[in-house]
Amino acid sequence: EDKVVQSPLSLVVHEGDTVTLNCSYEVTNFRSLLWYKQEKKAPTFLFMLTSSGIEKKSGRLSSILDKKELSSILNITATQTGDSAIYLCAVERGTGNQFYFGTGTSLTVIP
Amino acid sequence: ETGVTQSPTHLIKTRGQQVTLRCSSQSGHNTVSWYQQALGQGPQFIFQYYREEENGRGNFPPRFSGLQFPNYSSELNVNALELDDSALYLCASSLGLPNTEAFFGQGTRLTVV
Repeated sequence: EDKVVQSPLSLVVHEGDTVTLNCSYEVTNFRSLLWYKQEKKAPTFLFMLTSSGIEKKSGRLSSILDKKELSSILNITATQTGDSAIYLCAVERGTGNQFYFGTGTSLTVIP
Repeated sequence: ETGVTQSPTHLIKTRGQQVTLRCSSQSGHNTVSWYQQALGQGPQFIFQYYREEENGRGNFPPRFSGLQFPNYSSELNVNALELDDSALYLCASSLGLPNTEAFFGQGTRLTVV
């Protein structure tokens, strides 16, 4: 059975801390792995990873995929209260744009 | 702002009723996917429509059905509502090509009582 597992389930940190969120997957017909940020309702796109070992960066956020270990990490440095959200990992499998999501990691950043 | 709009934003229905949710896709996108997100869970894939045809379906019963129109907007219909259907329903608009991102609407919060 296909599965995407995220850890930790929740995290509380202080502003300025660095966090690492994990995602592991067992999915047939893997195409890509995506990270989304969900603050209230609509998940917003962060990264898409298709190649192993190539880091993607956007400001304080970065992510990397390890196809050998079937996993990915999302790093957030110098966290801010605005980073508080649920971070979702999704794997695209088979036909285009059909995503299998993990449960998410709830991040709370306190001042 | 993703350009993907969903209506209504909130809805309360009684068990056994039927509901229709709507989604307007982003300009230029021909693919709409629907997801159900229960409280504390990640979104679960319901089905996808590509150029008005169903193009994949998740593990949901037939009482979940959909349509896509020539302008690529879409509807999700749920018949014989059950309490467990209470969730946030998200639609995602995309090009339908592998390795391209999808953009989500704000969702419809459905409560079944």
